Amino acid sequence: EAAVTQSPRSKVAVTGGKVTLSCHQTNNHDYMYWYRQDTGHGLRLIHYSYVADSTEKGDIPDGYKASRPSQENFSLILELASLSQTAVYFCASSRDWGGNTLYFGAGTRLSVL
Amino acid sequence: GDSVTQTEGLVTVTEGLPVKLNCTYQTTYLTIAFFWYVQYLNEAPQVLLRSSTDNKRTEHQGFHATLHKSSSSFHLQKSSAQLSDSALYYCALSDEDTGANTGKLTFGHGTILRVHP
Repeated sequence: EAAVTQSPRSKVAVTGGKVTLSCHQTNNHDYMYWYRQDTGHGLRLIHYSYVADSTEKGDIPDGYKASRPSQENFSLILELASLSQTAVYFCASSRDWGGNTLYFGAGTRLSVL
Repeated sequence: GDSVTQTEGLVTVTEGLPVKLNCTYQTTYLTIAFFWYVQYLNEAPQVLLRSSTDNKRTEHQGFHATLHKSSSSFHLQKSSAQLSDSALYYCALSDEDTGANTGKLTFGHGTILRVHP
């Protein structure tokens, strides 16, 4: 069974609209992450969290917000979606920071038109 | 800052022949953990190999890699490529110190491996 579940799996949004991507994990992991995947850039960290009700900025946080209401759930929010945010987004979890394996969800393909 | 370099964006190999995907890095971490992740088409990335010991060969699913701190490398190799190995491969590193605030995983840009008959 998938331990990291993302929804929706794909979404088409309009420029300027609000988009919320959701992630749920059953790994009992403290750490959760949102990555963005673009051809030629690989995986880049947007936001992460190590405890409920707290989030941290990653390498490319501009234009994104994150929310961690519980250990199991982590959302990525695009308040004003832009064309440049068209990408595949992956959620991941890990037991701990530093040297630990990440377990990824299946990804959400977002197209902003 | 830390960086991981995968020099090839695409590697094409004939089934049954050996394959090598290059990965080099720059880091200021004293203790590092290295990973190879593999992403099959329309699937999530998943860990293939992990190593944190210098000069020790790590193997999984027919692939192997050896962390060489002297040359800052963690190349991925397989002696006989299979059609099913076609995928996107990421090299990544992190500080192994779980108490540090620098434990972020840094990924390379990825290498697409295409194995043809």
